Amino acid sequence: DVQLLESGGGSAQPGGSLRLSCAASGFFLRRYAMSWVRQAPGKGPEWVAGISGDGGSTDYGGSVKGRFVINRDNSKSTLSLQMNSLRVEDTAVYYCTKGHETSAVPESWGQGTWVIVSS
Amino acid sequence: QSVLTQPPSASGTPGQSVTLTCSGSSSNIGTNFVYWFQQLPGTAPKLLIFKNDQRPSGVPDRFSGSKSGTSASLAISGLRSEDEAHYYCLAWDDRLSEYLFGTGTEVTVL
Repeated sequence: DVQLLESGGGSAQPGGSLRLSCAASGFFLRRYAMSWVRQAPGKGPEWVAGISGDGGSTDYGGSVKGRFVINRDNSKSTLSLQMNSLRVEDTAVYYCTKGHETSAVPESWGQGTWVIVSS
Repeated sequence: QSVLTQPPSASGTPGQSVTLTCSGSSSNIGTNFVYWFQQLPGTAPKLLIFKNDQRPSGVPDRFSGSKSGTSASLAISGLRSEDEAHYYCLAWDDRLSEYLFGTGTEVTVL
């Protein structure tokens, strides 16, 4: 079974940084694109960033472009999201997701980790 | 801010059919696949429909998707109480170079 376990969430002040990690198991990670998706309280999901199977291609949502960096280490079966210049509006639960077929469309989701940005 | 627009709510009685819509533009739905997700309260979204009209294994055939032009639809037939959830569409946007989720529709079974 696909398992995605996020960690690294917590509280940060505006302007601060956090690094999220995702441990993936149950599938051959390098075959799949991966994404981070977030969901603010009471809001719909928002696609944050995606990365190709080999890590050579990345895309970002407009609200995080230039502030967040997605990365992966296939040898360690991990995905990460470095979040810099955090804003209050980045407060959300962040999900690690496995892509569907050859796309980064979220097919399998982790349980999520909370990020709270507040002064 | 999403550019995929969904009606905020829809409802029906058990056994009825309900159709949800997702309206976009030529840069997203008009040229790319549409996906649908179901989110039950307190859980992560679940992929319900992929590539416009395909169902992952395990999804009942009561759920069906379609696309026409710059709009897509999700039909739920034989409505059940367990279908009460939020439903979101998703598509890649060529102009923005990102995936966009729709604004979401909350389905209530009366």
